[in-house]
Amino acid sequence: AQKVTQAQTEISVVEKEDVTLDCVYETRDTTYYLFWYKQPPSGELVFLIRRNSFDEQNEISGRYSWNFQKSTSSFNFTITASQVVDSAVYFCALSGVYKLSFGAGTTVTVRA
Amino acid sequence: DAGVTQSPTHLIKTRGQHVTLRCSPISGHKSVSWYQQVLGQGPQFIFQYYEKEERGRGNFPDRFSARQFPNYSSELNVNALLLGDSALYLCASSFSDRVDYEQYFGPGTRLTVT
Repeated sequence: AQKVTQAQTEISVVEKEDVTLDCVYETRDTTYYLFWYKQPPSGELVFLIRRNSFDEQNEISGRYSWNFQKSTSSFNFTITASQVVDSAVYFCALSGVYKLSFGAGTTVTVRA
Repeated sequence: DAGVTQSPTHLIKTRGQHVTLRCSPISGHKSVSWYQQVLGQGPQFIFQYYEKEERGRGNFPDRFSARQFPNYSSELNVNALLLGDSALYLCASSFSDRVDYEQYFGPGTRLTVT
């Protein structure tokens, strides 16, 4: 069975602070993909990043960066220099055969 | 190009009734997946359809059914509604049936069962 755990329920920061979101996953698959999605108040899930299980190289894309550690089954996500528009619920997800398994989400509030 | 569209946006039903939710995928996408998102939780997988065939089913009762039409649009049907069916129902489309391909989500249909 697959499981995604996002231990942080809510995070509140002041604009320009960095925000790191934790994600821990469980899977028996040897090949899998990990994702981060953003859900603004409008409700639509917006794809942010994807990483496959064979590539542990951490990357930066604009203000987003991620830290994938297969040894600890963690896939953490960082927003650098947060902005008010970053306020949303962020979901970590793990690919299965036909589906994505999502964590419970972390609500990020960025205050001006 | 238009994104994934879902209708209706909001819906209020009474326990025991039946509901049909609709989804139009992005042009050229052949895969449609349905997810249920209860307030305060992450989305839960219900179905995946690809080329009009069911490819995957989540842990939902038989009251939930779906189908995909020749134009790749899809319907999700829920019979004998329960209060616990109140949720945001999300549709996602993708070019492939492979989950590692990027899935594009629609704005969802918010269903309230009273």
